[in-house]
Amino acid sequence: DTGVSQDPRHKITKRGQNVTFRCDPISEHNRLYWYRQTLGQGPEFLTYFQNEAQLEKSRLLSDRFSAERPKGSFSTLEIQRTEQGDSAMYLCASSSLGQGLTEAFFGQGTRLTVV
Amino acid sequence: SQKIEQNSEALNIQEGKTATLTCNYTNYSPAYLQWYRQDPGRGPVFLLLIRENEKEKRKERLKVTFDTTLKQSLFHITASQPADSATYLCALVGVTGGGNKLTFGTGTQLKVEL
Repeated sequence: DTGVSQDPRHKITKRGQNVTFRCDPISEHNRLYWYRQTLGQGPEFLTYFQNEAQLEKSRLLSDRFSAERPKGSFSTLEIQRTEQGDSAMYLCASSSLGQGLTEAFFGQGTRLTVV
Repeated sequence: SQKIEQNSEALNIQEGKTATLTCNYTNYSPAYLQWYRQDPGRGPVFLLLIRENEKEKRKERLKVTFDTTLKQSLFHITASQPADSATYLCALVGVTGGGNKLTFGTGTQLKVEL
């Protein structure tokens, strides 16, 4: 396993279009997180899953955003009717519940540009 | 509201010197604190974790302190090298859990010059 994988690395879309990102976590990790990062800022929490259950969503996550983790493995983040303000780096991270307090392993991110 | 502050300006130091980065927080009771390194265009990489009941943690050239009275963490890199140049992020995890989600500061950019 080479770590957390995200696809695509870059996405340019026109305003109003829908986009979907994919995250493949480290295989034995049961927790998966989505964060959003804009230039000059730290990552902001969006949502997290424990196995297939989505346990928390940030108020940042408007109803245009939806995330799934159907079989407790990979996850998708969809943004509908994209707006220019959605332009950011979308980061996925995973961690293992079994090890107690542990670090998060981040993917390389998907950079979204809405034009 | 909760606030996590890191030095907003870039920190420039000479190779071989010790870099000290600051993380201050308000309206927050973290169970533990983590430091990450982030290079341009890449995701953060974990460096160190320190719990609320620990004062200091070391790993090779890295040292982290955690003062819950001052609500501050200091991150030190000794014998700094140009390869240490990156943005360093502090992240807090709350007492109430929340699935170990991380609340990040804005990060401090470190530049180590020859």
